[in-house]
Amino acid sequence: DAGVTQSPTHLIKTRGQHVTLRCSPISGHKSVSWYQQVLGQGPQFIFQYYEKEERGRGNFPDRFSARQFPNYSSELNVNALLLGDSALYLCASSPESQLFNYGYTFGSGTRLTVV
Amino acid sequence: DAKTTQPPSMDCAEGRAANLPCNHSTISGNEYVYWYRQIHSQGPQYIIHGLKNNETNEMASLIITEDRKSSTLILPHATLRDTAVYYCIVRRSGAGSYQLTFGKGTKLSVIP
Repeated sequence: DAGVTQSPTHLIKTRGQHVTLRCSPISGHKSVSWYQQVLGQGPQFIFQYYEKEERGRGNFPDRFSARQFPNYSSELNVNALLLGDSALYLCASSPESQLFNYGYTFGSGTRLTVV
Repeated sequence: DAKTTQPPSMDCAEGRAANLPCNHSTISGNEYVYWYRQIHSQGPQYIIHGLKNNETNEMASLIITEDRKSSTLILPHATLRDTAVYYCIVRRSGAGSYQLTFGKGTKLSVIP
């Protein structure tokens, strides 16, 4: 089975630009979560989507938005990029929206560099 | 969610048991202890979780103290591939429990 796939793997953008990151969950998983990991820190929760609805949002500005498609894949959009948005963006999938008795499966992430 | 405290780094000799401690003194009765690890340049990997009983799977064992204020993740025979940052996370399970709150974790270095 394919794991969680994210694209692109690396990306370089200029300040003020817009970026779209993509995630395909494990087949059968209906929940997708997004995390931001700045160098030297643990991942920080951005969003969770389940069945195409936003179930949770972390403490991120409105420049960050996301959506989930009928096939459960997801996009994370970031507008008006700042240097501080440079980070590893991680996508995680799970069968359900709640943790229950298993953990989330993470992808390898998209490394975004803003210059 | 209860906060966790972990040592920033630890070393372990290859083939020996690695014991990674975590303090969660403010844990509530309905909060679980989860462990993830992150190998360099990869996403976090789920290892194990527990509520109050000790747990074991093919990767590790989780020992939770009787008062649940601390826990230890045990890798019975550490290999070089176990070198990673290990995160201890406390989170309630059930409605609304959709996010994981990561700290800085413990950087485990397995030494040949």
